[in-house]
Amino acid sequence: DAGVIQSPRHEVTEMGQEVTLRCKPISGHNSLFWYRQTMMRGLELLIYFNNNVPIDDSGMPEDRFSAKMPNASFSTLKIQPSEPRDSAVYFCASSLITGGDDIQYFGAGTRLSVL
Amino acid sequence: AQTVTQSQPEMSVQEAETVTLSCTYDTSESDYYLFWYKQPPSRQMILVIRQEAYKQQNATENRFSVNFQKAAKSFSLKISDSQLGDAAMYFCAYRSDRQTSGSRLTFGEGTQLTVNP
Repeated sequence: DAGVIQSPRHEVTEMGQEVTLRCKPISGHNSLFWYRQTMMRGLELLIYFNNNVPIDDSGMPEDRFSAKMPNASFSTLKIQPSEPRDSAVYFCASSLITGGDDIQYFGAGTRLSVL
Repeated sequence: AQTVTQSQPEMSVQEAETVTLSCTYDTSESDYYLFWYKQPPSRQMILVIRQEAYKQQNATENRFSVNFQKAAKSFSLKISDSQLGDAAMYFCAYRSDRQTSGSRLTFGEGTQLTVNP
């Protein structure tokens, strides 16, 4: 399996621009997670989906952030408008929830720089 | 809310030696899972080992083992016969087993491990 695939690997944009991060989970997994990693706050969950339905979006910073999962093999995280404080590494992870243990497998992350 | 604390921002070890990374957590739950993830310079988050709280036996994966002390809420990682490829940031993480809490991982601050040749 190719693992969790994120694109782009790096994104540099200017303040005010729209940014879209993409994620393809591992085939067969039924849960998808978006995390953000910053020096100040460490790794924190933004949102997660189960069977394509958002379950917990309490970590989404504000209305500028939105996430979608139109099908089991694709998810997007959109920031509009972007601000310099959004600069971070954004990780996508997927897992197969089987009623017990569910290991989360991470993508390589997208490093976002907002100038 | 659960919290995870890693009190060692940096650690170093000589190649082939043993090193232990510390992690403590705070929770009121009795059933949960604990994890150690490794993040090398490539940025990829890689699962190292996991522990189910209801199991008394400490998990082991080759050169990696944990010391799980449930009463003390402690979950340390021991790396034996350290190799240069072990150099990375190591994160301790907690996941609730409760349906209402979902499957979110709560991470510690991380410990940067350096392996000296």
